Amino acid sequence: NAGVTQTPKFRVLKTGQSMTLLCAQDMNHEYMYWYRQDPGMGLRLIHYSVGEGTTAKGEVPDGYNVSRLKKQNFLLGLESAAPSQTSVYFCASSYGQAGGLYQETQYFGPGTRLLVL
Amino acid sequence: SQQGEEDPQALSIQEGENATMNCSYKTSINNLQWYRQNSGRGLVHLILIRSNEREKHSGRLRVTLDTSKKSSSLLITASRAADTASYFCATAGRGKSGGSNYKLTFGKGTLLTVNP
Repeated sequence: NAGVTQTPKFRVLKTGQSMTLLCAQDMNHEYMYWYRQDPGMGLRLIHYSVGEGTTAKGEVPDGYNVSRLKKQNFLLGLESAAPSQTSVYFCASSYGQAGGLYQETQYFGPGTRLLVL
Repeated sequence: SQQGEEDPQALSIQEGENATMNCSYKTSINNLQWYRQNSGRGLVHLILIRSNEREKHSGRLRVTLDTSKKSSSLLITASRAADTASYFCATAGRGKSGGSNYKLTFGKGTLLTVNP
């Protein structure tokens, strides 16, 4: 099993450009999450999904959109990148059978480093 | 905010010594989780302790939870250079809308350095 994989590993964007980050998991997990990690801030939840075709906003959703068309994939889109979106982005997934969000282990991908100039 | 706050922010010890990291939080929780992050990598889950549990062990790791003091500690015994990493606590509790809408909030982490 590859676990949770993220594509790309690193990207440089100019302000106003758009891009999509791809997250894939091969563990048949129901729940998937996108976080961003900034120095001194810990991880903050951007969006999450509790199943194929469903998405919901997290703590810092502005400027991002997501889609979960297939159970194994969770896409994070930046329509018009801003320097404030320079960060490391982590995708995570969890089984989804323990009675609700966050009541179980989350499995993280290796991260995508994004630099917006 | 129920955000967990780790203490200390940084800890440097010698190989073989024990390392203790603490986490404090402000509101009631469903569970508390500890994660490890090696430099440049994703987070790896270590232990999940539920609010009705007081202590859990996993190999060289021991986690305690004191809900009356709203605090948790992570003890790594007989540390190794490979334990060098950042350690995060994450608290899971109900969001503002209640119901099953739990929210997982990560602290800022403790950077542990184990010197060989």
